Amino acid sequence: SQKIEQNSEALNIQEGKTATLTCNYTNYSPAYLQWYRQDPGRGPVFLLLIRENEKEKRKERLKVTFDTTLKQSLFHITASQPADSATYLCAPPVSGSARQLTFGSGTQLTVLP
Amino acid sequence: KAGVTQTPRYLIKTRGQQVTLSCSPISGHRSVSWYQQTPGQGLQFLFEYFSETQRNKGNFPGRFSGRQFSNSRSEMNVSTLELGDSALYLCASSSQGDGGTDTQYFGPGTRLTVL
Repeated sequence: SQKIEQNSEALNIQEGKTATLTCNYTNYSPAYLQWYRQDPGRGPVFLLLIRENEKEKRKERLKVTFDTTLKQSLFHITASQPADSATYLCAPPVSGSARQLTFGSGTQLTVLP
Repeated sequence: KAGVTQTPRYLIKTRGQQVTLSCSPISGHRSVSWYQQTPGQGLQFLFEYFSETQRNKGNFPGRFSGRQFSNSRSEMNVSTLELGDSALYLCASSSQGDGGTDTQYFGPGTRLTVL
């Protein structure tokens, strides 16, 4: 069955550095993958979507890559700030469905001042 | 546009009781999904409704049910509450957007505590 793994339950980095979060998937090939941000006690907020035919997507300080050979997506935050501290979730669609998402367990990012 | 709203925000119940949670999607969104989030299990899909019909269902017992009204508002019901049902329940709406993708817009959630 399909499996989504986000490496590192927690990641601490210094302010100004680039944070890199990893999402690996196995046993299927999603047509796209989304990344969400979640703050404590709140619902996730959509950040970026990348399709299988796109290698890279950018939005301000955020960058997402999608490597269908490695079955991996990387999420980068450049020039990180303490306000970027949150849990980041990757969410590809469920195998066989274009619309139903499955969420990874998330990586809790802490940016230290 | 107003975002997804959920009521109530917090709820305390005792074992054996039942509970109904409400969700109002973003205006124009016809798909509403429900998720359960716990520290141990992460974000787990409960079910999705589209045009008043349950279109997808996750792996939860029959005690969890839902419905959607003609105005796309949705309710979720949990009967015979168990301690393990304590969680943040999140509702998300979708416009069934472009290119076959499904970006979810989440509400703030309902924090349910079962004593």
